[in-house]
Amino acid sequence: NAGVTQTPKFRILKIGQSMTLQCAQDMNHNYMYWYRQDPGMGLKLIYYSVGAGITDKGEVPNGYNVSRSTTEDFPLRLELAAPSQTSVYFCASSLTGQGRSPLHFGNGTRLTVT
Amino acid sequence: AQSVTQLDSQVPVFEEAPVELRCNYSSSVSVYLFWYVQYPNQGLQLLLKYLSGSTLVKGINGFEAEFNKSQTSFHLRKPSVHISDTAEYFCAVSADSGGSNYKLTFGKGTLLTVNP
Repeated sequence: NAGVTQTPKFRILKIGQSMTLQCAQDMNHNYMYWYRQDPGMGLKLIYYSVGAGITDKGEVPNGYNVSRSTTEDFPLRLELAAPSQTSVYFCASSLTGQGRSPLHFGNGTRLTVT
Repeated sequence: AQSVTQLDSQVPVFEEAPVELRCNYSSSVSVYLFWYVQYPNQGLQLLLKYLSGSTLVKGINGFEAEFNKSQTSFHLRKPSVHISDTAEYFCAVSADSGGSNYKLTFGKGTLLTVNP
């Protein structure tokens, strides 16, 4: 199993550009998540999904959108990139809700907006 | 609402020394507790978890943690560290936020640096 795969690993965007961060998992997990990690701030939840066709906002959803058309894929869309979106983005999945099931993380996408 | 406090942002130690990374949480309901480790340029991976039962939990790579309900703590320990343990460690708490909706909250992380 590859686990959780994120692409690209690195990306530089100009202010106002858009992009999609890809995330795929092959563990048949229902729950998927997008986090951003900023130095010294831990992880903040952007969006999550409890299954195909169902998504919901996390703590910091502004400036982002998601979709979940299949169990495997959970892309994150950035519209009109801003310098505040410079961060490392992690996708994660879990078998059940966050209560008891540990999260499986991808290796991250490092995004710089200039 | 729950919160997690990792009391040290950085912990430098020498190889083969013992280490304790401290984590305190606040929650008005029962919690599940996790420690994750992040090696450079990688994602987080689970080190250990407390769901119920014995308060002393053993994880991978020789780490263990003890759940102390009265002190609302879940400190991570290792009796003898290696250079390869250099990484960032995150404590996380999961609690029922209502209607069986669990919210997972991460601490800000502790950077463990093991020096030769």
